[in-house]
Amino acid sequence: DTEVTQTPKHLVMGMTNKKSLKCEQHMGHRAMYWYKQKAKKPPELMFVYSYEKLSINESVPSRFSPECPNSSLLNLHLHALQPEDSALYLCASSQVGTGFFYEQYFGPGTRLTVT
Amino acid sequence: GQQVMQIPQYQHVQEGEDFTTYCNSSTTLSNIQWYKQRPGGHPVFLIQLVKSGEVKKQKRLTFQFGEAKKNSSLHITATQTTDVGTYFCAGEGNQGGKLIFGQGTELSVKP
Repeated sequence: DTEVTQTPKHLVMGMTNKKSLKCEQHMGHRAMYWYKQKAKKPPELMFVYSYEKLSINESVPSRFSPECPNSSLLNLHLHALQPEDSALYLCASSQVGTGFFYEQYFGPGTRLTVT
Repeated sequence: GQQVMQIPQYQHVQEGEDFTTYCNSSTTLSNIQWYKQRPGGHPVFLIQLVKSGEVKKQKRLTFQFGEAKKNSSLHITATQTTDVGTYFCAGEGNQGGKLIFGQGTELSVKP
């Protein structure tokens, strides 16, 4: 199984709402990532978890709160978002290696619209 | 900060023509990866290059890694409509643990 799943596919939320994005993989990967992608732009890294611990936070605003409950699951909790946060949110996973950077497997993404 | 530049931004070709996208890094890369994102889709891993001067082929796709490990290219021979999408190169960041993506090259193919 080389699939990363994400739910929901689409999400529309108001600026006062709280919602969560979910990501799951069963490839035994121990690194998981959240990216934000705007139209016609490359994926922009937000967070990296390695062995269920947050290893990289790319200075993301606190209205985005990641969580890694176990090695297969990754959540992104959203609160008080702004319209400019509307984007495609991609989850990815990869193996972790010493001195080697493995390829990433991306999920289909959640298309988020903030109204 | 570390940057990965990719050109051209857009490329429109007639089916059957060749296509090349180029990637340049401001620093030496330990490796470089290439991804393809179809319209409305998500990035899909194509290949990884690790060695200086490395050349790899996948059917009509040829990938090269420069001798100085600061540049890379993807060449598609005789494009087909199925090649449509955005091609991203990505190198490992200086501090490790993350990919730095190029801006991508959007390829459109006219039948």
